[in-house]
Amino acid sequence: GDSVTQMEGPVTLSEEAFLTINCTYTATGYPSLFWYVQYPGEGLQLLLKATKADDKGSNKGFEATYRKETTSFHLEKGSVQVSDSAVYFCALGNAGGTSYGKLTFGQGTILTVHP
Amino acid sequence: DGGITQSPKYLFRKEGQNVTLSCEQNLNHDAMYWYRQDPGQGLRLIYYSQIVNDFQKGDIAEGYSVSREKKESFPLTVTSAQKNPTAFYLCASSIEGDTGELFFGEGSRLTVL
Repeated sequence: GDSVTQMEGPVTLSEEAFLTINCTYTATGYPSLFWYVQYPGEGLQLLLKATKADDKGSNKGFEATYRKETTSFHLEKGSVQVSDSAVYFCALGNAGGTSYGKLTFGQGTILTVHP
Repeated sequence: DGGITQSPKYLFRKEGQNVTLSCEQNLNHDAMYWYRQDPGQGLRLIYYSQIVNDFQKGDIAEGYSVSREKKESFPLTVTSAQKNPTAFYLCASSIEGDTGELFFGEGSRLTVL
């Protein structure tokens, strides 16, 4: 079945450092890929997405490129801020077009950014 | 403001008791979902519903039940048959046919004493 593997955390960085959170997936067909973020005490919200190979999703300075050849969707940000401290989830959407929200999530990576 | 409201935010239950978690949305979304979040395990799908009066089991439906009598509401009952119910429960919704953008509530934390 479908699966998503994220790099283990927690990740601790200083402000303005470069961030990479690795995500690889296993799926049949042509899945859509997502990054969700969960700030303390809140639900999840969509950070960015990519629906086909070589697409780059971007939002709030974060980027991720859908790499079909390496089955990866790594999240990057050039300069993190304290306000980026949160839990980040990589997710995969059911292949075949409409996913109806049946996403497969990675285990989440806790990011802490210090001033 | 449109969104998803979950209640209660915190809930304590004794073993052997059923408990119902509420989820209401005013986004006019057709599809609704329940996920369970455990530390280090990500989110796992319990049940989902694409239209009123219809729902399907997710990956971990055993010990849970749902109903979808209204478009706006999708309550989850955690029954006494659920062996390890202590967890954080998240309700979500999406526009039918959308490729995966889920809108989440703030969650309900259930603790079994």
